[in-house]
Formats: sequence, structure tokens, C-alpha cells
Amino acid sequence: EVQLVESGGVVVQPGGSLRLSCAASGFTFDDYTMHWVRQAPGKGLEWVSLISWDGGSTYYADSVKGRFTISRDNSKNSLYLQMNSLRTEDTALYYCAKDILSGELAFDYWGQGTLVTVSS
Amino acid sequence: SSELTQDPAVSVALGQTVRITCQGDSLRSYYASWYQQKPGQAPVLVIYGKNNRPSGIPDRFSGSSSGNTASLTITGAQAEDEADYYCNSRDSSGNHGVVFGGGTKLTVL
Repeated sequence: EVQLVESGGVVVQPGGSLRLSCAASGFTFDDYTMHWVRQAPGKGLEWVSLISWDGGSTYYADSVKGRFTISRDNSKNSLYLQMNSLRTEDTALYYCAKDILSGELAFDYWGQGTLVTVSS
Repeated sequence: SSELTQDPAVSVALGQTVRITCQGDSLRSYYASWYQQKPGQAPVLVIYGKNNRPSGIPDRFSGSSSGNTASLTITGAQAEDEADYYCNSRDSSGNHGVVFGGGTKLTVL
């Protein structure tokens, strides 16, 4: 059974930093592109970042470029999101998601999300 | 980055057919994927590619595309189909990313 379990969400002050983790199981992790997607309270889905199967390619939404860094450790079946210079508008539920086929950009499995609140 | 536009809300009578649309320039080049999200739950992929359903998705869900518009059709809507629906596709602006539509709230009457 495929499982994605996010962790690391907390309340943080504006300008602060945070690292989210996503533990994957039930599939061959290093075969797939992985993504972070976020959802602000009561709002729609917003794609944040993707990383290729080998970590060689990473891409970001304009809203987080230069502040967030996606990475993965295939030996630990884990995905990460380092978030720096956090803003109140980064407050959201952060999901990690698996690409159905690397490069397809359709997300067939999602975690339950981890809540990041940026507030003073 | 490119944008995808969805109607904020659509309603359908129980058992009838409803079409949810998604418009954007990126859809002239790339297929849309569709997700169903119920309150308090993570999104679920219902359609991807030309018209592919992941395992476990009922065949009343189908997808199509024409020009800059992608559509999700539910044929014989059920009460359990009441949810928010989101489209996404590859961003065609050159940043290699992904763009989501704003979502459509489907009400089954």
C-alpha cells in the first residue's frame, strides 16, 4: 500500500525557517518524480515544487523561488522541503504527492498534509 | 506562469450528467488532470492524460479536451460526487512547473 506521511509543520514567525519531511513507502521511491502542493485555509490547490527521480532537476513556483528548496534522500525514501524567509502568505496545509509516471505531472497519491502557520 | 480558469460552482440533479470545464493556453499543448477533493480530505486523482482513470475511479468519470478547454464529465452524478474539483496541467510558460485551476464546487441536488 502506498503511503506518504508528511511531518514538520508548526507555527513559525515571519522571516523564520522550517523543514518539512515526507516519508514514502509502498512503492519504489527512486522511480518517481515527487511534488509539494499547498492549500491555504479555505482556498484552492497551489503547486509548490517538484524534484526528479534522481534529484537532478528541481523546479519551483514563482511564489517560492529563491526561498524554498526541495530535496530527496532515496536511501531513506524521503522527500524534504526547506522553507526560508517565511511569509504570512505561506500559511497552508502542505501535501507531498507522487507523480503517476515521472514527467506526467499527474499526482496519484497524496499524503494527508502538514500544517504550516506563519504568524507573529 | 500560465493560468487555468474554472467556474467557481456548478450544480447537477442526482443521476444527471454534468460537465466541469477548465480553460487555459497551456491546454492547447498539454492534457489536464482532474482531482476530486472532499472536505477535510486530500485530493484524489480521477482523470489524467487523454482520458485515463486510475484504478478504483468509477467509469462515470471521463475527460476530454478541445482547443484551450479541458472538460471533466460525470455521467449519472451520485450524491458522493459532491466535492471540489481541480484541474492541473504543465505550465506552458517555460518554468517546467505545474499550474492548478481555482477549483469548482460541485453540488448534487
